Amino acid sequence: EIVLTQSPGTLSLSPGERATLSCRASQYVSSRFLAWYQQKPGQAPRLLIYGASSRATGIPDRFSGSGSGTDFTLTISRLEPEDFAVYYCQQYGNSPFTFGPGTKVDFK
Amino acid sequence: EVQLVESGGGLVQPGGSRRLSCAASGFTFNIYAMNWVRQAPGKGLEWVSAISPGGSTTYYADSLKGRFTISRDNSKNTLFLQMNSLRAEDTALYYCAKGGGDEHHNFFYMDVWGKGTPVTVSS
Repeated sequence: EIVLTQSPGTLSLSPGERATLSCRASQYVSSRFLAWYQQKPGQAPRLLIYGASSRATGIPDRFSGSGSGTDFTLTISRLEPEDFAVYYCQQYGNSPFTFGPGTKVDFK
Repeated sequence: EVQLVESGGGLVQPGGSRRLSCAASGFTFNIYAMNWVRQAPGKGLEWVSAISPGGSTTYYADSLKGRFTISRDNSKNTLFLQMNSLRAEDTALYYCAKGGGDEHHNFFYMDVWGKGTPVTVSS
């Protein structure tokens, strides 16, 4: 099973700042099969990024994904108030299709 | 509008069984993989199971140890999760989620999610 580790656990920032979230896999993630999701309290998760760097439909271009192999990054170029949430990475290259523990982006 | 609506959750005694359903609409159900994901209260997301578009291939989290079975009825656009030998640690909100890709390439990231159905395992 591929174990995903996300860092930091909590990221305290202000609107307008840049957020850099890390996701590290215990094994190689094949074909960059890595996705990122955003979840707000009381809501279902929302897909942001798939294929490590492809934005899902309707996702603003301030969200970008990068990385390959075992190291992946989600970057939010300038935080908007609605971006404060929990972010999860997920690998879907090898079953079981595991999630990371999440990074919470909150207000500084 | 693409929509997934889960049902079947509720209070179950330890050792009991429950069958969850997910009704899909607004897309061609039989060409996409489907997933179940759960979230225990105050915890993160846990992938539970997935199934191929035709239903012939299934995938499970290691921790389930054969207690859960995923299936689908493409004639009724419905996904199922049969849960047996339920334990307190199975208490969670269970989400149904549509796999990504298209009719030629299916992937197990999740681009559409339902609102979830809660399952509580308690005596």
